[in-house]
Amino acid sequence: KNEVEQSPQNLTAQEGEFITINCSYSVGISALHWLQQHPGGGIVSLFMLSSGKKKHGRLIATINIQEKHSSLHITASHPRDSAVYICAVRRAPETSGSRLTFGEGTQLTVNP
Amino acid sequence: NAGVMQNPRHLVRRRGQEARLRCSPMKGHSHVYWYRQLPEEGLKFMVYLQKENIIDESGMPKERFSAEFPKEGPSILRIQQVVRGDSAAYFCASSFALNTEAFFGQGTRLTVV
Repeated sequence: KNEVEQSPQNLTAQEGEFITINCSYSVGISALHWLQQHPGGGIVSLFMLSSGKKKHGRLIATINIQEKHSSLHITASHPRDSAVYICAVRRAPETSGSRLTFGEGTQLTVNP
Repeated sequence: NAGVMQNPRHLVRRRGQEARLRCSPMKGHSHVYWYRQLPEEGLKFMVYLQKENIIDESGMPKERFSAEFPKEGPSILRIQQVVRGDSAAYFCASSFALNTEAFFGQGTRLTVV
């Protein structure tokens, strides 16, 4: 079983829909990242969370440390949001550095 | 302040050749991480380096792969005698200090023919 599990693996939505991507992890962490990867492109860091909730534009990320679960929400989705969204955790203890363990990613397609 | 720079973006090598992938971290960052993304798979940690030192290489294949981060210049991931299975995207990330946010480069896509 992977230490970081994402769901769903694939998600297709219509433009304007509210989207949720989930991430569960089984190890102790010091932080959780949400990353975005476009086809053939680089990786962009969207959020780094250690507790609570963060918002940036139409993106919202939440984390529940007790339940070892995080969600990424996209409001008013747009075709340009189509990408792979990756959840990654930084393990505790913190002596492991910033090394990340990744989920398999969620392929999001937003149709016009 | 330029981001993490990786070059080349695309690299084609014949089986048996050597591949050298370069990563220049963000200015002021002394921690570098290499990750590999095999086709249709997720990202996997390879190695963590801090200037002139390898801190954690638990994700590196035992043979043919090596990494360095010299006092001056970029970090280098070196793959000797490449095989088809080495074809992948290799990403570098850097951070300012232990357990601060890491920023990713655009990746190097290695194709072994």
